Amino acid sequence: GQNIDQPTEMTATEGAIVQINCTYQTSGFNGLFWYQQHAGEAPTFLSYNVLDGLEEKGRFSSFLSRSKGYSYLLLKELQMKDSASYLCAVRETDSWGKLQFGAGTQVVVTP
Amino acid sequence: EAQVTQNPRYLITVTGKKLTVTCSQNMNHEYMSWYRQDPGLGLRQIYYSMNVEVTDKGDVPEGYKVSRKEKRNFPLILESPSPNQTSLYFCATAKSGANVLTFGAGSRLTVL
Repeated sequence: GQNIDQPTEMTATEGAIVQINCTYQTSGFNGLFWYQQHAGEAPTFLSYNVLDGLEEKGRFSSFLSRSKGYSYLLLKELQMKDSASYLCAVRETDSWGKLQFGAGTQVVVTP
Repeated sequence: EAQVTQNPRYLITVTGKKLTVTCSQNMNHEYMSWYRQDPGLGLRQIYYSMNVEVTDKGDVPEGYKVSRKEKRNFPLILESPSPNQTSLYFCATAKSGANVLTFGAGSRLTVL
């Protein structure tokens, strides 16, 4: 089977940095996605990594190590609106098909 | 405006009463997929479709049916709903070769 693990919850202070880890064991790999989901809303796309290394996009960065089956999402200069669930997802094949999601990490930003 | 439209957004029904949740997209996307989301379990894939008339099972297909007769529509059918199908359902679509999956707003279904 396959497994995508992320912490259940993380708490951080406004203005701080939080790193959300994701480890995966899948039968194939063709990209890892991070999505943000506010309560009761649809997930929205944050980032995509298919090669090893760091992808930076404003306050958000995502890192991938394929050999370690590991990724992280880094949120800098936290704002209250960043309080949400962050979902890690792995695509196994070279086309859209089965896309596996982790259970999500709830990030709580406190004043 | 590019969008993925799901209907109904909210539904309360009773066990055994057939229902259909519709999903429509106006982006000419080849790929469409259905997920259910339950607390602590995350998003689990029910069915997906790579293109018209091509559908495949995801991880939790039992109790669901789908069809893809037109490119823009991918309805999710619950022939005989049961309480364990109470969940938040999301439709998602993507262009072949692209790396962004776009979600609909979600349909909250309660089966009594």
